[in-house]
Amino acid sequence: VQLVESGGGLVQPGKSLKLSCSASGFTFSSYGMHWIRQAPGKGLDWVAYISSSSGTVYADAVKGRFTISRDNAKNTLYLQLNSLKSEDTAIYYCARSGAPTYYFDYWGQGVMVTVSS
Amino acid sequence: DIQMTQSPASLSASLGETVTIECLASEDIYSNLAWYQQKPGKSPQLLIYDASSLQDGVPSRFSGSESGTQYSLEINSLQSEDAATYFCQQHHDYPTFGGGTKLELK
Repeated sequence: VQLVESGGGLVQPGKSLKLSCSASGFTFSSYGMHWIRQAPGKGLDWVAYISSSSGTVYADAVKGRFTISRDNAKNTLYLQLNSLKSEDTAIYYCARSGAPTYYFDYWGQGVMVTVSS
Repeated sequence: DIQMTQSPASLSASLGETVTIECLASEDIYSNLAWYQQKPGKSPQLLIYDASSLQDGVPSRFSGSESGTQYSLEINSLQSEDAATYFCQQHHDYPTFGGGTKLELK
């Protein structure tokens, strides 16, 4: 199992960014997937989940601003980040969902998103 | 949201010792508890899920247990590679994590 994130960077408050997570080594379409973030030097916060059938769930802190999606043909998970705030600054990890409940059995290496003017 | 209170925030132990890290859930999570290990600059790795099930490839010196809403991670015979930060996470509801325990080896 391999998960590789990309798309991070420095962005101004109020702007948008789209993260990608390329998956390999397993049948991507059969698994739910998550995004989890970690502010510098801080703990872990779950961000969003998408089921194998593309049902979605979001943390309250990002609801209405972030959108999780997937392209099973490309084995890729996405996170669209809109209306970014300084408090969204973090390392963003994609992770595979351990079935059938919400734990994370494989993680990517993470991608840094910095929101600053 | 279900709150996870993890303790201690840090601890120091010697090679070969046994340490215990605890997490208290704010309500019943029905054994839906995972433990992760995170080394500096790395992503977290799953150690235990469902409170006591060992993830494939994880050494047997790691074990998990529960008593009511209190969950524990025990690491026996500490090795140098066990120096890391450990997080608990409930997976009964939308996921929430404990604050982490930084384990240092003396």
